Amino acid sequence: KAGVTQTPRYLIKTRGQQVTLSCSPISGHRSVSWYQQTPGQGLQFLFEYFSETQRNKGNFPGRFSGRQFSNSRSEMNVSTLELGDSALYLCASSLVLAGKETQYFGPGTRLLVL
Amino acid sequence: AQSVTQLDSHVSVSEGTPVLLRCNYSSSYSPSLFWYVQHPNKGLQLLLKYTSAATLVKGINGFEAEFKKSETSFHLTKPSAHMSDAAEYFCVVIGNQGGKLIFGQGTELSVKP
Repeated sequence: KAGVTQTPRYLIKTRGQQVTLSCSPISGHRSVSWYQQTPGQGLQFLFEYFSETQRNKGNFPGRFSGRQFSNSRSEMNVSTLELGDSALYLCASSLVLAGKETQYFGPGTRLLVL
Repeated sequence: AQSVTQLDSHVSVSEGTPVLLRCNYSSSYSPSLFWYVQHPNKGLQLLLKYTSAATLVKGINGFEAEFKKSETSFHLTKPSAHMSDAAEYFCVVIGNQGGKLIFGQGTELSVKP
């Protein structure tokens, strides 16, 4: 089985722009979660989608949004980019999240905001 | 609320010596706990997980962790370090809403020849 894939792998944007990141989960996985990793804040949960619905949301401003399609692929959008949005954005998928399922991570998209 | 604390930000060992990476958790109920590893410029790879079955959990690459409820700990160990073990290790607990992993701050493991 192919693992979680994320595109693009690297991205450079300037302040004020917007960006869309894509995540394709492992085949059969219906839950997709997004995380932001920065040196200062570590790994922080952004949001989780299951069956095209956002189930959980972390403490990020409304500039961060996402969606999930019927094939479970997910996109994350960040509008009005700020320098502090520079980070590694990780996507993880799992079968069904019931507190016991394991999340498998993609390689991440490294975003640099100039 | 669930949380994890990794007690060391950096651990350095010599190749062939034991590895101990410490993690304490806080949870209002029986937690699901994980250890993930992240090699430079790579994503997160699951090492092992505890989900209330056996308290001693064996993972990949010779790692294991023991869940100790009395100490609220889930330390990661390996009998003999390899150079390829040099990476950052994260202790993780599932949040009470599911779908949300709560990460420790990470422990960077260095392995000296």
